[in-house]
Amino acid sequence: EDQVTQSPEALRLQEGESSSLNCSYTVSGLRGLFWYRQDPGKGPEFLFTLYSAGEEKEKERLKATLTKKESFLHITAPKPEDSATYLCAVQAGAGNQFYFGTGTSLTVIP
Amino acid sequence: NAGVTQTPKFRVLKTGQSMTLLCAQDMNHEYMYWYRQDPGMGLRLIHYSVGEGTTAKGEVPDGYNVSRLKKQNFLLGLESAAPSQTSVYFCASSYLTGEQFFGPGTRLTVL
Repeated sequence: EDQVTQSPEALRLQEGESSSLNCSYTVSGLRGLFWYRQDPGKGPEFLFTLYSAGEEKEKERLKATLTKKESFLHITAPKPEDSATYLCAVQAGAGNQFYFGTGTSLTVIP
Repeated sequence: NAGVTQTPKFRVLKTGQSMTLLCAQDMNHEYMYWYRQDPGMGLRLIHYSVGEGTTAKGEVPDGYNVSRLKKQNFLLGLESAAPSQTSVYFCASSYLTGEQFFGPGTRLTVL
């Protein structure tokens, strides 16, 4: 069964304290792995797409990496405005469906 | 460009009532999707469409129907609402492959 698992469920960081979020997946026919940011009461906002193992993408304090079985979202020197839920999704299978993880809720404390 | 819009933003229904949620996109995307988001469950796909006039079932389709009469619109219907359908509903659109763009969501409560 296709599955996407994110860890940890919740993460509290001090401002400036770097860390990583994990997304592991078991799908057949991976077409892409996506990271989204979701603020309370809003829809998910696209961050990155990764297509193949070894690929990396960066945006400001965020860096996403991909291996054959998992992806990491590294947050360097986070700020309070980085507080949000980060969602991982994979697109896979003959139907090109998207499968979402349950997210990591990040809180950055000033 | 407005992107993906959803109406209404909030709705309260009584058990057994019906309603339609409207999603509209102005990005000329072929693919459109309806998800529901519940605490601890993540986003779950209800139905999706790969083009005008087509629809397909997702992971949790029971109790919902959809229609895609125009490329830019995707409607989600609840024929007889149940308390288990209390959730936040998100619409999204995309090209064949690539990132999905999400709407702001509809918060539905079924009493």
